[in-house]
Amino acid sequence: DVKVTQSSRYLVKRTGEKVFLECVQDMDHENMFWYRQDPGLGLRLIYFSYDVKMKEKGDIPEGYSVSREKKERFSLILESASTNQTSMYLCASSGDRGWNTEAFFGQGTRLTVV
Amino acid sequence: GENVEQHPSTLSVQEGDSAVIKCTYSDSASNYFPWYKQELGKRPQLIIDIRSNVGEKKDQRIAVTLNKTAKHFSLHITETQPEDSAVYFCAASEGYKLSFGAGTTVTVRA
Repeated sequence: DVKVTQSSRYLVKRTGEKVFLECVQDMDHENMFWYRQDPGLGLRLIYFSYDVKMKEKGDIPEGYSVSREKKERFSLILESASTNQTSMYLCASSGDRGWNTEAFFGQGTRLTVV
Repeated sequence: GENVEQHPSTLSVQEGDSAVIKCTYSDSASNYFPWYKQELGKRPQLIIDIRSNVGEKKDQRIAVTLNKTAKHFSLHITETQPEDSAVYFCAASEGYKLSFGAGTTVTVRA
């Protein structure tokens, strides 16, 4: 059973803080993704990674960065949190490099920036 | 990049009736089209997917159709049940990037 685990379920941070969201998967998946979910906007891709130390911008990368130092871990970094980054953040992973397969999601982190 | 549009945004059906959700995509290179279901407070989970070399796929009460020429695909749920109430997302992918539609909230009325 695939497990994608996000480090926090709920986070409250202050404007201007540097925020780290962590995601770990235990299925040796090649691909990992960070999405944000907002009502009426669906799941929007922030960044994704298809290999260790590799990263690609998604549709809304502004204000975010990522790190993938180990295959199982993919971190999302908000360099200077702003109130418009208040959202639900979902991490996902999928298996084969270069071949589309099912993406498995974490439980989500609801981030509130005050 | 890929743009996925999904309609309708909300759908209310009587239990036992059918539900249809439609999506269009912009990138003709997209070749993988999954559908995810997200129940309230839970993570999205794959319910069915289809690849570009297939026109239709069924799994019990759910089916997906793909029209590559028109660049649209649809989810069909027959004999709806209360447990089908959820948000459904379509997605399209070419390579690693998976782009989602905005979601359809389906409510099944008893």
